[in-house]
Amino acid sequence: EVQLVQSGAEVTKPGESLKISCKGSGYSFPTYWIGWVRQMPGKGLEWMGIIHPGDSDIRYSPSFQGQVTISADKSISAAYLQWSSLKASDTAMYYCARSMVEEVITPFDCWGQGTLVTVSS
Amino acid sequence: QSVLTQPPSVSGAPGQRVTISCTRSSSHLGTTYDVHWYQQLPGRAPKLLIYGDNNRPSGVPDRFSGSTSGTSASLAITGLQAEDEAEYFCQSYDSSPSDSTVFGSGTKVTVL
Repeated sequence: EVQLVQSGAEVTKPGESLKISCKGSGYSFPTYWIGWVRQMPGKGLEWMGIIHPGDSDIRYSPSFQGQVTISADKSISAAYLQWSSLKASDTAMYYCARSMVEEVITPFDCWGQGTLVTVSS
Repeated sequence: QSVLTQPPSVSGAPGQRVTISCTRSSSHLGTTYDVHWYQQLPGRAPKLLIYGDNNRPSGVPDRFSGSTSGTSASLAITGLQAEDEAEYFCQSYDSSPSDSTVFGSGTKVTVL
């Protein structure tokens, strides 16, 4: 069974750094793109960026370029999303999702359960 | 970057047919890309519902169907059921910046 399991909820303070993870199983992790999607409370889905774990090719949404860093470690089938200095406005649910077709970035056929990040002083 | 616009909400009685539109911004008129649809039940992660305009992943009921026309796409739900009450998002490829993607604004479907 194809699965993406994300790290647990985080409560942090403004200015702190954070790295959340997404671990894939049940398929060849290096072969499929992994995307990150933000959903702020009561709002829609926002595509943040995507990484190909096989060669670490990364694309960022212009809205998130420079705000977050996406990475992956194919040796342990994990993708990561990190911030160097969080803001209260980063409070949201973050989902990772897998591309359905090798070499093509959409659609996303498997989603992680989400990681809730709360940034509050 | 493209913008995909959806109506904020649609509603229907059980058994009725509802449709949700997804319209791409005018900056990409004349260019067509595949549209995908996701269903997000309250408190859950999104789930792929329709891909490549009108293909259903295994397990998705045939009550759900997609269509496209020019720079617009639509999701239709026939025989609406209480369990269909959810948020629905369209998604499409975006060429600016290259090789990226964008989600629609989302539509809340309410079963009356």
